[in-house]
Amino acid sequence: EDKVVQSPLSLVVHEGDTVTLNCSYEVTNFRSLLWYKQEKKAPTFLFMLTSSGIEKKSGRLSSILDKKELFSILNITATQTGDSAVYLCAVSTGTASKLTFGTGTRLQVTL
Amino acid sequence: GAVVSQHPSWVICKSGTSVKIECRSLDFQATTMFWYRQFPKQSLMLMATSNEGSKATYEQGVEKDKFLINHASLTLSTLTVTSAHPEDSSFYICSATPGAMNTEAFFGQGTRLTVV
Repeated sequence: EDKVVQSPLSLVVHEGDTVTLNCSYEVTNFRSLLWYKQEKKAPTFLFMLTSSGIEKKSGRLSSILDKKELFSILNITATQTGDSAVYLCAVSTGTASKLTFGTGTRLQVTL
Repeated sequence: GAVVSQHPSWVICKSGTSVKIECRSLDFQATTMFWYRQFPKQSLMLMATSNEGSKATYEQGVEKDKFLINHASLTLSTLTVTSAHPEDSSFYICSATPGAMNTEAFFGQGTRLTVV
């Protein structure tokens, strides 16, 4: 059975802090690993990673994948209150890009 | 990016009635769509894979007679929750991926179902 595990489950930080969110996986037929941010409703896409060691960056967010050790990290620098959300890691498998989600990390950024 | 539209965004229904949720890919064709369910403070759990022109594939523990899926065209999949009960109250969300390429999945806006 495909499994995706995220840690920590929840995190409270002060504005300006840097956070690292972790995602490890055990799946068959790996295609890619994706990070999403979920606030009130549907998840919004952040990154898709398919190759090891190549950092993807978007503003204060960055992510990297290690396919040998089967994990990924999502970094957020200089956090802002608007970063408060649940961050979901998902692994795409098979030919139809079925997603298996981790439990999510609930991030709260306080003033 | 590609757009997936889900309707309705919220619905309240009486116990025992059926509710239909639509998921449309607006600017691409999707031979496969996915239906997820999310309970409060939990992650998204895949319910079923909707296949255009053929039967849906259900995940273990999901009752196919209760959650009817129809994927009649390349841009529309529907999920019908039959004889809904309060325990079916949840956030239902669909996703689709354009083409056969390894691209991100695009999600609909989700439907919050409350059964009273």
